[in-house]
Amino acid sequence: QVQLVESGGGVVQPGRSLRLSCAASGFTFSSFSMHWVRQAPGKGLEWVAVLSYDGSVKYYADSVRGRFTISRENSNSTLYLQMNTLRVEDAAVYYCARGYCSGGNCNLIDHWGQGTLVTVSS
Amino acid sequence: QSVLTQPPSASGTPGQRVTISCSGSSSNIGTNSVFWYQQLPGAAPKLLIYNNNQRPSGVPERFSGSKSGTSASLANSGLRSDDEADYYCAAWDDSLRAYVFGTGTKVTVL
Repeated sequence: QVQLVESGGGVVQPGRSLRLSCAASGFTFSSFSMHWVRQAPGKGLEWVAVLSYDGSVKYYADSVRGRFTISRENSNSTLYLQMNTLRVEDAAVYYCARGYCSGGNCNLIDHWGQGTLVTVSS
Repeated sequence: QSVLTQPPSASGTPGQRVTISCSGSSSNIGTNSVFWYQQLPGAAPKLLIYNNNQRPSGVPERFSGSKSGTSASLANSGLRSDDEADYYCAAWDDSLRAYVFGTGTKVTVL
């Protein structure tokens, strides 16, 4: 079955960097687009970024564009999120999610990981 | 700031029918498929409905989805206590080039 396991969360000071990882298994990772979605404590879901199956196309939310970078290593079925210049408002549980294709659009989401918590505090 | 609008809460007694609305625009729901996710307390979201009205394997038949124009709905035809959760709609937005989520609806079983 599809498994997505995030890691790399923790406590970081504002302005610093952090890299999240997502280890995928149970499906052919290199055939699927992948997403990051976050959820601040007590708040709703906020989409962060999506990366195409081959890494050639990526889209970002306005709130993170220019600070965050989504990337992948298909050889070891891992998705990454490099987060730079972190802000207090970036604090959230970060979920890795698998992309789903429908009508030619592969930027949808079906499966989710359990999430990793990022705390931004001085 | 969420692009899709949902009511903040909905409730019902066991067995009752509950419906949640999701309002969007021509660039998201009006053009693309709607997905619904269920998030139980303390858990990750789980896919409930895809492509407007399709249920993944394992999702009970009491859950159904529909779409009309720039709005969509999720219905639960027989509320159970273990359906208490937050529910989110979502769709790809062609203008924003982003996967947009609804504001979320908390369902309470009375």
